[in-house]
Amino acid sequence: AQTVTQSQPEMSVQEAETVTLSCTYDTSESDYYLFWYKQPPSRQMILVIRQEAYKQQNATENRFSVNFQKAAKSFSLKISDSQLGDAAMYFCAYRSNFGNEKLTFGTGTRLTIIP
Amino acid sequence: GAGVSQTPSNKVTEKGKYVELRCDPISGHTALYWYRQSLGQGPEFLIYFQGTGAADDSGLPNDRFFAVRPEGSVSTLKIQRTERGDSAVYLCASSLGGNGANVLTFGAGSRLTVL
Repeated sequence: AQTVTQSQPEMSVQEAETVTLSCTYDTSESDYYLFWYKQPPSRQMILVIRQEAYKQQNATENRFSVNFQKAAKSFSLKISDSQLGDAAMYFCAYRSNFGNEKLTFGTGTRLTIIP
Repeated sequence: GAGVSQTPSNKVTEKGKYVELRCDPISGHTALYWYRQSLGQGPEFLIYFQGTGAADDSGLPNDRFFAVRPEGSVSTLKIQRTERGDSAVYLCASSLGGNGANVLTFGAGSRLTVL
């Protein structure tokens, strides 16, 4: 079974600065997807960024980018120019491309933005 | 609809009662997922539907939990003889298909409190 580990329960960053959230995962598969979701107090999970395992190039979405290290099974999220609206819980998630297509989530990192 | 709709938003019930939670997915999405999120935790997979059938119900914790999707659209999660430990946010998500590339869109969840 796949597992996802987020070792930082809480992180804080000064507004306009850069922060990196860590995620590691364990799998024996070679074809899969990795995701970062944001969950504000409204509870709705919002997709931040997605990475396909067979693509070596790191995904980017505006101020959000990832550092995907397949051999190390590491998938960190970098948020540049942090804004107050970035404050939320951030979840890393894994999804196989074979058979069972469920998302497996980590335990989350609570990000606080300091004005 | 434009997004995934879940009702009720909040439900308070007494121990031993029966509860139904409803999920209305995005129109045209054939895959539907239920997750349970306990306080301070990441979402945990409960059940996955592809069309009308439950393709994977391995996450249902016991036989008090049951879910249906009779017409391949709206789904209902049913919990019998509720226990205090069932208190959590129940999240529903849908996607175009079960393929790993398809992005899950989440609803805002139903918060269940069992007194």
